[in-house]
Amino acid sequence: QQQVKQSPQSLIVQKGGISIINCAYENTAFDYFPWYQQFPGKGPALLIAIRPDVSEKKEGRFTISFNKSAKQFSLHIMDSQPGDSATYFCAARKLGFNTDKLIFGTGTRLQVFP
Amino acid sequence: KAGVTQTPRYLIKTRGQQVTLSCSPISGHRSVSWYQQTPGQGLQFLFEYFSETQRNKGNFPGRFSGRQFSNSRSEMNVSTLELGDSALYLCASSLRGVITDTQYFGPGTRLTVL
Repeated sequence: QQQVKQSPQSLIVQKGGISIINCAYENTAFDYFPWYQQFPGKGPALLIAIRPDVSEKKEGRFTISFNKSAKQFSLHIMDSQPGDSATYFCAARKLGFNTDKLIFGTGTRLQVFP
Repeated sequence: KAGVTQTPRYLIKTRGQQVTLSCSPISGHRSVSWYQQTPGQGLQFLFEYFSETQRNKGNFPGRFSGRQFSNSRSEMNVSTLELGDSALYLCASSLRGVITDTQYFGPGTRLTVL
């Protein structure tokens, strides 16, 4: 049973544009929502993460928006660059459980063209 | 500081064989998790270890097993390989395995089952 739904599956953006990737979750026990970036031949790397006690978190060109009531969160990449071309995964993790287990979305392949 | 290392990077096996994959976490990290990544299923949690104890296990058959040694290095084993086991196997480590710790992924082991 997929617990984190991610869309779109793929995204093509022009350089300088805004890339937006959306995720929705079902389990209200989730309390930590990271985004990972993966380049071909590499493992995923943490990009940015948010806890549901805040509605937005920004780090450089990357922003997470979080809507707890709708159980949705999204990644915005401002001023997208060709170097941002990668696969992005949202994930969720349960608070209060003694575990590192991450539930991942299905991934979004982002291509940024110059 | 060296990152998470995984060996071997590539592996080709035939159906029915067994395989052992190795993961060396970042120095000082005590929590190690394993994930299977396939185009169809995405990133699926296999299991995690903390201080040599399995703390959580995903929904995989008993053919998938793992262990962690006293130096935090971990191995996973797949017995009686099936074609569907072809995947990228990722290992991730974190310092203490608590929610505020970042998980760092290795580059993965690409397993091909013929």
